[in-house]
Amino acid sequence: SAVISQKPSRDICQRGTSLTIQCQVDSQVTMMFWYRQQPGQSLTLIATANQGSEATYESGFVIDKFPISRPNLTFSTLTVSNMSPEDSSIYLCSVLPGTSGRVNEQFFGPGTRLTVL
Amino acid sequence: SQKIEQNSEALNIQEGKTATLTCNYTNYSPAYLQWYRQDPGRGPVFLLLIRENEKEKRKERLKVTFDTTLKQSLFHITASQPADSATYLCALKTGTYKYIFGTGTRLKVLA
Repeated sequence: SAVISQKPSRDICQRGTSLTIQCQVDSQVTMMFWYRQQPGQSLTLIATANQGSEATYESGFVIDKFPISRPNLTFSTLTVSNMSPEDSSIYLCSVLPGTSGRVNEQFFGPGTRLTVL
Repeated sequence: SQKIEQNSEALNIQEGKTATLTCNYTNYSPAYLQWYRQDPGRGPVFLLLIRENEKEKRKERLKVTFDTTLKQSLFHITASQPADSATYLCALKTGTYKYIFGTGTRLKVLA
């Protein structure tokens, strides 16, 4: 299994500013993902972040708006840039530890609740 | 278009009864389907995975079925307890590392 922490747990930000969300894992993992969960909506994958390579973004998400860093196997950041109220959401990181017998289980962080005014 | 549907309305059941949640999908041929539990203010927690060649999977009081012909999965919680109250999400693996999640069904077990 993997234990994941995220910072901040919540924030209220002004339009036009940026926020960087941190994701820390208690073990080394190759596959790390960033999701967005808007109120009443399902989780939507923003990007896949693998250490040592550029993040892979899903349709509708671009690097200029959601730059991601993955400096090592236990840490990643997601920045929400030039925020607008439409970016108000819960942002979650998840990992696929890929341990034997549990290769397809995703472990999620607690999420960061972002409100943009 | 590709879609995953779960009952958007909350499901209220009496303690001790069996809760049954539905996940329907269209235009996918997933290798497997997963169920997660999500409590308010927390990230989803993995519960069960069922592969396309499996009809049923059990874990303690949980049971999942998977009908690839109907494109449907049913998630059952037997002898439900108030502590089972949460939102339950189904997820399909649609790519090597890509998962599509349903919107979830909120379950409330009444004491």
